[in-house]
Amino acid sequence: GNSVTQMEGPVTLSEEAFLTINCTYTATGYPSLFWYVQYPGEGLQLLLKATKADDKGSNKGFEATYRKETTSFHLEKGSVQVSDSAVYFCALSVGFQKLVFGTGTRLLVSP
Amino acid sequence: DTAVSQTPKYLVTQMGNDKSIKCEQNLGHDTMYWYKQDSKKFLKIMFSYNNKELIINETVPNRFSPKSPDKAHLNLHINSLELGDSAVYFCASSQESAGSGNTIYFGEGSWLTVV
Repeated sequence: GNSVTQMEGPVTLSEEAFLTINCTYTATGYPSLFWYVQYPGEGLQLLLKATKADDKGSNKGFEATYRKETTSFHLEKGSVQVSDSAVYFCALSVGFQKLVFGTGTRLLVSP
Repeated sequence: DTAVSQTPKYLVTQMGNDKSIKCEQNLGHDTMYWYKQDSKKFLKIMFSYNNKELIINETVPNRFSPKSPDKAHLNLHINSLELGDSAVYFCASSQESAGSGNTIYFGEGSWLTVV
């Protein structure tokens, strides 16, 4: 079946530190990959996506590259801010199937 | 204007009651969804409708009944509420079922607490 595995959180960083949140997937077929972000008390927002191998999604300083050979879609940011504190969800979809989410990784950034 | 809007945002109700959560999207999408987020933040799809037709129905108690009066609306009705139904329910929409890379847009969530 299709599944997404994310690193356990929380990830605790100081402001301006480098961020990596790991995401690996298992899928039948050729998935599209997504990162969603949920700020405290809010809904889910699409952060970035990639629809084929070697594509790089980017938004608000965040990046993730679709790596078919390692079945990964790791989220990175060069310098995090306090306002980036949120829960980050990696997700995939295949064909006309539902979006499958990882368990989410909480990021806490301190000043 | 909010693309996917759902009401109410907060709902506290007693066990055994029946409640509804309404959802509307103004994006012109043809597919709508209901997702449930539990206390550990785990997100799982409950239902999906395409052009008012049910296309995904996960293992959800039949106390949960979605209704889609038209493409822009997908309401969730819950009968005989139980403590375990307490969660955040997210409505979402996309153009065609997500899978060709189409983005799913989420509402802000409805926080349901059953006491």
